[in-house]
Amino acid sequence: GAGVSQSPSNKVTEKGKDVELRCDPISGHTALYWYRQSLGQGLEFLIYFQGNSAPDKSGLPSDRFSAERTGGSVSTLTIQRTQQEDSAVYLCASSLGGTGNTIYFGEGSWLTVV
Amino acid sequence: GESVGLHLPTLSVQEGDNSIINCAYSNSASDYFIWYKQESGKGPQFIIDIRSNMDKRQGQRVTVLLNKTVKHLSLQIAATQPGDSAVYLCAERPNFNKFYFGSGTKLNVKP
Repeated sequence: GAGVSQSPSNKVTEKGKDVELRCDPISGHTALYWYRQSLGQGLEFLIYFQGNSAPDKSGLPSDRFSAERTGGSVSTLTIQRTQQEDSAVYLCASSLGGTGNTIYFGEGSWLTVV
Repeated sequence: GESVGLHLPTLSVQEGDNSIINCAYSNSASDYFIWYKQESGKGPQFIIDIRSNMDKRQGQRVTVLLNKTVKHLSLQIAATQPGDSAVYLCAERPNFNKFYFGSGTKLNVKP
């Protein structure tokens, strides 16, 4: 596609439920990132995928968070047993990979846990 | 974690004036820096980037300056317009896996 596509754009869920957020990167981009942005805060790194390499999961805040990337393209971020502190914008970005390549963001998935 | 901070959380300028947004980064190993513009309810939008082997780069109405000695990055916007009102985020890359972002500076452009 022309840009990074994320869905859903907005999600309201009850505390304790699981949610899945989807990211479709720019065609041909081998690197994919997930970031989280809480209200008025900077972007917090969550996870990074590069090609077929093992993902860098060092930013995932707890074992309730997981992500996968199928076929080197679409990625799904899953949050299990959601908590109110999980409420944030979840941003996906992609790049061509390698050094010096700009990362381009989607519009984000706004998650509200009530 | 890494720290990328901004000197001024809010900046108000008059339409037509030049704007300067500052950013301090923490990792001397960072080799690549990006400025993003984030409008309300939207994802960050790429503005301009610069590599560590440069100290200045110009785009259309924007200039990024890099001072590695004091680990400082700035974004200059010429002839600021109301459409420039947004939050501006700087990002550093200490390794090719991750970019670290500050909380941003909000730019208000007064007509």
